[in-house]
Amino acid sequence: DQQVKQNSPSLSVQEGRISILNCDYTNSMFDYFLWYKKYPAEGPTFLISISSIKDKNEDGRFTVFLNKSAKHLSLHIVPSQPGDSAVYFCAASALSGSARQLTFGSGTQLTVLP
Amino acid sequence: NAGVTQTPKFRVLKTGQSMTLLCAQDMNHEYMYWYRQDPGMGLRLIHYSVGEGTTAKGEVPDGYNVSRLKKQNFLLGLESAAPSQTSVYFCASSPGTTDTQYFGPGTRLTVL
Repeated sequence: DQQVKQNSPSLSVQEGRISILNCDYTNSMFDYFLWYKKYPAEGPTFLISISSIKDKNEDGRFTVFLNKSAKHLSLHIVPSQPGDSAVYFCAASALSGSARQLTFGSGTQLTVLP
Repeated sequence: NAGVTQTPKFRVLKTGQSMTLLCAQDMNHEYMYWYRQDPGMGLRLIHYSVGEGTTAKGEVPDGYNVSRLKKQNFLLGLESAAPSQTSVYFCASSPGTTDTQYFGPGTRLTVL
């Protein structure tokens, strides 16, 4: 059973508009959440994160919102740019054994149309 | 500063063959990880290491072995490859005090 779900495999947005990517999780032990961005033939790169003690974190054009009661987080990109076109992975972290382990969602392909 | 590098980038194996994937990092990170990514699925943790000489199992460890003889290197071995191990393999590292992991470019493995 997937503990981190990204239910939208793809999203298309016009340049300059807002992109909203969503992620749901089921494990209450997750206490840290991250978004990674991945271009084809490259590894994922860290984008933004949020601790479970916060409900919002902002970094330039990127804002992550966390709703703990709903076990839902979202990534907002404003304004969207063609260079933002990539696969976005949501990840959740919990301490397991001797290390914190990341559990990834299946990803959302964002396409920003010029 | 190359970050995280992976060798090879591509490989085709026949069922039953063995191979080793090499991951190297030059950031002096304590923690290293091996993931696999399959279509329609997120990255799944195979094995990880919290320091030189240590290894631990992740979510999908069966069919794989790992070694961390040097701090900067983390090796992933397939003793007898199976078609189900066809995947893209990513290595990552982290300082150990944060959750941010730095990923390599990936190795695309096909097992026929």
